[in-house]
Amino acid sequence: QLQLVQSGAEVKKPGASVKVSCEASGYQFTSYGISWVRQAPGQGLEWMGWISAYNGNTKYAQKFQGRVIMTRDTSTTTAYMELTSLRFDDTAIYYCARAMTGYNWFDPWGQGTLVTVSS
Amino acid sequence: QSVLTQPPSVSGAPGQRVTISCTGRNSNIGSNYDVHWYQHLPGTAPKLIISGNNHRPSGVPDRFSGSKSGTSASLAITGLQAEDEADYYCQSYDSNVSGWVFGGGTKLTVL
Repeated sequence: QLQLVQSGAEVKKPGASVKVSCEASGYQFTSYGISWVRQAPGQGLEWMGWISAYNGNTKYAQKFQGRVIMTRDTSTTTAYMELTSLRFDDTAIYYCARAMTGYNWFDPWGQGTLVTVSS
Repeated sequence: QSVLTQPPSVSGAPGQRVTISCTGRNSNIGSNYDVHWYQHLPGTAPKLIISGNNHRPSGVPDRFSGSKSGTSASLAITGLQAEDEADYYCQSYDSNVSGWVFGGGTKLTVL
């Protein structure tokens, strides 16, 4: 069964880091990429970045350059997104999604991970 | 401000047809990058409903259709049903930002 399962909700203090995992199953992990998308409360979807599961190459949205690190572990078919120097406005639901080859669509998506930044 | 522009909301009665527009630029939709559409219900994962401008993934009802022309795209939903009430997002790739971009989302209300 094709699915992405994410780690559970996190509560972090400003300035801390958070690392969200995304375990893939039901397909050849290294044949696709993984994109990360977030949705802040009351806001729309925002693309954060992409990682090739094949070779680990990454592409980050300019907004997150220097604060986000995306990695993957092919042995466990898991992708990770670490966001550092957390701010209050990083409070959001973070989604991973399988990225089709080329400049294409995301499908399927993980269930989402709520990250709350609170003092 | 989203790179792709969508109306904040649309509405229609059950059985009616609604369309949601997605306006882009020469650096994204106008550069022949495909447009994709997602349905998002609160508390759930976004669901792909249209890929590659006008292709319906398996399991998506044929009431949903997509089109693209120039720097814009549209999602049409015919025979509106209560279960269609959700947020809808368009997505494309943008060469200026070297990344994927989303529209701001459109809330569909079934009256």
